[in-house]
Amino acid sequence: DAGVTQSPTHLIKTRGQQVTLRCSPISGHKSVSWYQQVLGQGPQFIFQYYEKEERGRGNFPDRFSARQFPNYSSELNVNALLLGDSALYLCASSLPTGGKSPLHFGNGTRLTVT
Amino acid sequence: DQQVKQNSPSLSVQEGRISILNCDYTNSMFDYFLWYKKYPAEGPTFLISISSIKDKNEDGRFTVFLNKSAKHLSLHIVPSQPGDSAVYFCAGDRRNSGNTPLVFGKGTRLSVIA
Repeated sequence: DAGVTQSPTHLIKTRGQQVTLRCSPISGHKSVSWYQQVLGQGPQFIFQYYEKEERGRGNFPDRFSARQFPNYSSELNVNALLLGDSALYLCASSLPTGGKSPLHFGNGTRLTVT
Repeated sequence: DQQVKQNSPSLSVQEGRISILNCDYTNSMFDYFLWYKKYPAEGPTFLISISSIKDKNEDGRFTVFLNKSAKHLSLHIVPSQPGDSAVYFCAGDRRNSGNTPLVFGKGTRLSVIA
C-alpha cells in the first residue's frame, strides 16, 4: 500500500514568492494534517482537514492557507515567503480523528527560502 | 508554553543494551501519547502509543511506560540495535477531546553503537 506522498521533495524560493505544497493521503484516510518542522524542533501543527473542512489551525499567520479536495488530497499554500519559513513541511493522514488512529507522515517537502 | 518536553537532546547506547528515552508533559488533558522515530530525509514513523488510562504498552522490543502522577513517560528499547539510531519524538494527543493537533517534543537523537 502506498503511504502518504508529498510533492515536491525539495523547493527553493526567494523571499516574497508564493509556494504550493501537495499531499496525497493513504487510501481510505479522510483526515489530513500539515506540520512544520524546523531544525532542532519537533513538528509544529499548521492545519487539519477532515472531509474537506478545516478542523483545526495552529498558531501560524494568515500567509499560510490550505485546502482539501474531494479525493482527500490536500495543498498547503504559503504567500509572501520569509526566510523563517524555511523548514521541512510534513503532511500526515489518519483514519477518523480520534486518538486511536495514529498520524502517518509523508517524507515531507524541504523548503528553502533565500 | 512547551506542553511536551524531551530534556535529553541525545543518547548513546551500546548495541544489545537497553535504551531509555524520556518525556515529560504538562497538559493533563492528553488522551494518548505517541512515539515516533525519524530517520534523516524521511518523515516521522509511528512506533508505539499508550492510552492515558494505561500505564504500560508493549510491542516487541518497544515498551512505553506512563506515570500519570509524575506526568512522565518513557520508551524502552530492548535490545537496542544499530538500526534504531534515529531521532525519537514523543507526542501528546488530544484528538478524542476534539482538539486536533499532536503536540510534539523537540526529540532525542539515539545513537546505538555496534
